[in-house]
Amino acid sequence: DTGVSQNPRHKITKRGQNVTFRCDPISEHNRLYWYRQTLGQGPEFLTYFQNEAQLEKSRLLSDRFSAERPKGSFSTLEIQRTEQGDSAMYLCASSLQGEHEETQYFGPGTRLLVL
Amino acid sequence: EDQVTQSPEALRLQEGESSSLNCSYTVSGLRGLFWYRQDPGKGPEFLFTLYSAGEEKEKERLKATLTKKESFLHITAPKPEDSATYLCAVRRDNDYKLSFGAGTTVTVRA
Repeated sequence: DTGVSQNPRHKITKRGQNVTFRCDPISEHNRLYWYRQTLGQGPEFLTYFQNEAQLEKSRLLSDRFSAERPKGSFSTLEIQRTEQGDSAMYLCASSLQGEHEETQYFGPGTRLLVL
Repeated sequence: EDQVTQSPEALRLQEGESSSLNCSYTVSGLRGLFWYRQDPGKGPEFLFTLYSAGEEKEKERLKATLTKKESFLHITAPKPEDSATYLCAVRRDNDYKLSFGAGTTVTVRA
């Protein structure tokens, strides 16, 4: 297994446009997380899935943000009507429920720049 | 609300000059404390998980320790390839998300 993958790696968009990011977790992992990281800060939690169910959403996730995990495998994060403040690195992580340490393994991230 | 504070913000070391990074935390019911390494433009890479005060874990030149209020990451005889941002995160009982500190950026000069 090659780990968590994310696409695209970079996205430049104009304010007001919609963007969608994809995350493919480690194949047997049933938990999937989205985080956002701005320059000089640690990642901040956005939302979490167990299988296909979205179990928790942060207050950071405004109504312009939506995340899905339709078949409990890959996940998408969509941002509608992007704003300059959405510019950040969007990180996906996955973990295996029941594993002792339940370590979250991160993907390489999608860097978003909103002009 | 969970709080994780890392110090210093930046650390410049000469190759071979050992040092320690600090992570102080406030969390109700600690489930685990995690250390990650992050290279520029990449996602965090898992290093260690610590669960209880007194626990220690080692990996190559890195050693992580945990007390009831803080964790230390000791870098022994660092090499330039140890240059990275080191992130500390906590997870509370009955929760799954990680709460991260802002990180310590370590630069090791040859």
